[in-house]
Amino acid sequence: GQQLNQSPQSMFIQEGEDVSMNCTSSSIFNTWLWYKQDPGEGPVLLIALYKAGELTSNGRLTAQFGITRKDSFLNISASIPSDVGIYFCAGRGDDYKLSFGAGTTVTVRA
Amino acid sequence: KAGVTQTPRYLIKTRGQQVTLSCSPISGHRSVSWYQQTPGQGLQFLFEYFSETQRNKGNFPGRFSGRQFSNSRSEMNVSTLELGDSALYLCASSSNRGSSYEQYFGPGTRLTVT
Repeated sequence: GQQLNQSPQSMFIQEGEDVSMNCTSSSIFNTWLWYKQDPGEGPVLLIALYKAGELTSNGRLTAQFGITRKDSFLNISASIPSDVGIYFCAGRGDDYKLSFGAGTTVTVRA
Repeated sequence: KAGVTQTPRYLIKTRGQQVTLSCSPISGHRSVSWYQQTPGQGLQFLFEYFSETQRNKGNFPGRFSGRQFSNSRSEMNVSTLELGDSALYLCASSSNRGSSYEQYFGPGTRLTVT
């Protein structure tokens, strides 16, 4: 699979804040997926994107498929404590393999 | 609809042994993919099976193998275990219908090699 750059690597959230993370790739993808993983569990699919420019929401989550097909971002609005966890982006190219970013660890700011 | 299930959830093995992990996909899903997750390397793709055939393969040594049965259940085998094989092994299933390639993950099998 291709290498994905996901940023930031970690972030601290305060309840009520909007947060954003993004992924970029050196290759074109035809599918972007965003997952959240809690400790000891498998990743849970949050949002799937299939077309360049597509903007999709799932509750307080919004994700967009970049126009160049090489990037995607995920926004969380009005964050709540249960938003903590590790968020992964994943992209699928013409080889049909799913490549994952290294993850963004979201922690509550004390 | 039941989700992806993996057994066992936890496993401890000794170097040199072999191990078999099992995955049952979501009902109706014909594609099963396997991943290795470690703190240092993140999520690494192992292989994908569709209709009992390996459709895609990652960059892992031949000690890692898999198979899929006619009911879409899949098994993954690792032979001659090494300490570096300690990881969370995740299985994901997908319907692969139309343009949908959404993968749904199981809870994983935590393998510890001592």
